[in-house]
Amino acid sequence: GESVGLHLPTLSVQEGDNSIINCAYSNSASDYFIWYKQESGKGPQFIIDIRSNMDKRQGQRVTVLLNKTVKHLSLQIAATQPGDSAVYFCAVSNSGYALNFGKGTSLLVTP
Amino acid sequence: EAQVTQNPRYLITVTGKKLTVTCSQNMNHEYMSWYRQDPGLGLRQIYYSMNVEVTDKGDVPEGYKVSRKEKRNFPLILESPSPNQTSLYFCASKGSLSTDTQYFGPGTRLTVL
Repeated sequence: GESVGLHLPTLSVQEGDNSIINCAYSNSASDYFIWYKQESGKGPQFIIDIRSNMDKRQGQRVTVLLNKTVKHLSLQIAATQPGDSAVYFCAVSNSGYALNFGKGTSLLVTP
Repeated sequence: EAQVTQNPRYLITVTGKKLTVTCSQNMNHEYMSWYRQDPGLGLRQIYYSMNVEVTDKGDVPEGYKVSRKEKRNFPLILESPSPNQTSLYFCASKGSLSTDTQYFGPGTRLTVL
């Protein structure tokens, strides 16, 4: 089955800096990738997604990069704000089947 | 407002006492699923349903049952809860199997004593 892992369980950044959260996956047939944000006491919230036919996608202050060669994706958050403090999960699926989630990276934004 | 709702949000019960966690979505989604979230293990899928009367096991189905009699509802049933089912549970839905963006409910924190 699919194995999805995050490189760092915790990440601390200063307000205003850029954050990069990484994720690796094992199944080369995976074709859809999502980043979720989970704040304390809430369910995961969709941030941004990317399909395997792309290598970069940008949203508002967020960018997802996909490197299919090494089976790696990253989430970049520009000008990190205190409200960005949360746990971030990557999720991977193959042709729309069940999402496999990474274990999460806890992002702490310090003033 | 499009949303997934779960009830109850918090529940403390004892071993062996049957319980049901309800899940409802108002987006007319075909696909619904249940996850449990445990420290160090991330989100793991328990059961999913591709449409009314169509359900299937996820990665950790033991000790759980589900039903899908109506499109909007997908209850999770624990016939005889055990302490190892103490966890945070999330219901989620999406338009169809081929529609990938999944929306999550707010979670149900279950403690089994």
